[in-house]
Amino acid sequence: AQSVTQLGSHVSVSEGALVLLRCNYSSSVPPYLFWYVQYPNQGLQLLLKYTSAATLVKGINGFEAEFKKSETSFHLTKPSAHMSDAAEYFCAAAAGAGSYQLTFGKGTKLSVIP
Amino acid sequence: DAMVIQNPRYQVTQFGKPVTLSCSQTLNHNVMYWYQQKSSQAPKLLFHYYDKDFNNEADTPDNFQSRRPNTSFCFLDIRSPGLGDAAMYLCATSRKVTDEAFFGQGTRLTVV
Repeated sequence: AQSVTQLGSHVSVSEGALVLLRCNYSSSVPPYLFWYVQYPNQGLQLLLKYTSAATLVKGINGFEAEFKKSETSFHLTKPSAHMSDAAEYFCAAAAGAGSYQLTFGKGTKLSVIP
Repeated sequence: DAMVIQNPRYQVTQFGKPVTLSCSQTLNHNVMYWYQQKSSQAPKLLFHYYDKDFNNEADTPDNFQSRRPNTSFCFLDIRSPGLGDAAMYLCATSRKVTDEAFFGQGTRLTVV
């Protein structure tokens, strides 16, 4: 079964600093990978997705993620944090064709300090 | 323009009183999902439809049912809500599971 691990339930960064949110997946077959953002009392919004094309994926709001098969990782980064980035971030994986289930990590709450 | 619409945004129901949450979509997607998200936890898939084919997750309680009368609408019925069912319920759609899932704003259910 697929599992997704997000290291750090809460990350704090200063405004303008690098954002790094970690995600590792467990699968012998590279899955499809996603990062979602959730603002308080809102649904989830897709930031970016990896579907076995380029390993460096660029998303919205200046975020990007790099798929590293050797490390089974898909970490999310942004060079310079903005106050509006404060939210909860979920990494998710889908096993691939025929699998209808997105497996989510437990989420990482990002705080941005002025 | 909203593409996945959930109504209501906030729902308060009494312990044991049946409640229905609704979801509609304008994307004409084949797949519709219902997720339960408890406070500070990841969304948990309850079930999904591929067109009219219903797929229940193994650990979804019998208390939860769903209906999809047509492509655009999907309902979540909680037959006898307990205090432990208080959560955010998220509806999502996708063309196929490996495509982007579009989420609604969610319905926050409170059980009193």
